Amino acid sequence: SQQGEEDPQALSIQEGENATMNCSYKTSINNLQWYRQNSGRGLVHLILIRSNEREKHSGRLRVTLDTSKKSSSLLITASRAADTASYFCATDDPGNTPLVFGKGTRLSVIA
Amino acid sequence: GAGVSQSPSNKVTEKGKDVELRCDPISGHTALYWYRQSLGQGLEFLIYFQGNSAPDKSGLPSDRFSAERTGGSVSTLTIQRTQQEDSAVYLCASSLAPFGRGSYNEQFFGPGTRLTVL
Repeated sequence: SQQGEEDPQALSIQEGENATMNCSYKTSINNLQWYRQNSGRGLVHLILIRSNEREKHSGRLRVTLDTSKKSSSLLITASRAADTASYFCATDDPGNTPLVFGKGTRLSVIA
Repeated sequence: GAGVSQSPSNKVTEKGKDVELRCDPISGHTALYWYRQSLGQGLEFLIYFQGNSAPDKSGLPSDRFSAERTGGSVSTLTIQRTQQEDSAVYLCASSLAPFGRGSYNEQFFGPGTRLTVL
């Protein structure tokens, strides 16, 4: 069953704007990860945030985690056309089951 | 070093035929995962190998699907008597450590195999 659910399903912005994507999940987690996928092929790991962390930064990426609301957000600042991709959140629960991925947010950055 | 590789990159087959998809994980990675992604959808977990332990097959959609991992390295996903609904991109990933509390289990993905069943 789907654990992470991304919102919105699709997002279109102008280059230079910020993009915010949200992820909600259902059960307790060890950590939450964000991945990017270009052109429907392999995924690339972006950032991992542990359940005891609230915010994490990596370059133009900022991830927040609210375990009380079972939600996370991914912010991409100063977006570029190259950021156009699908973004997935994935959760790792304490039950030792493999990562569960959401359906993703399709981000289009228009130059 | 080299990343995860998969072959073939594309496979077109006729309904009812068997297919084999191959995954070469990153050297030294103990965990290997297979996922399936239908058009516009998220990743569907299929099977997970960890070291010499029995694989977690809980995601395999039917008994037509099977996978093996030889020598703790290369893995082959086999789909027997393919159906049109099997058409999807099949993604393989490996990670250095197994998942679990306290483990950092970033997964490294291969480019996938696009399977089309006519």
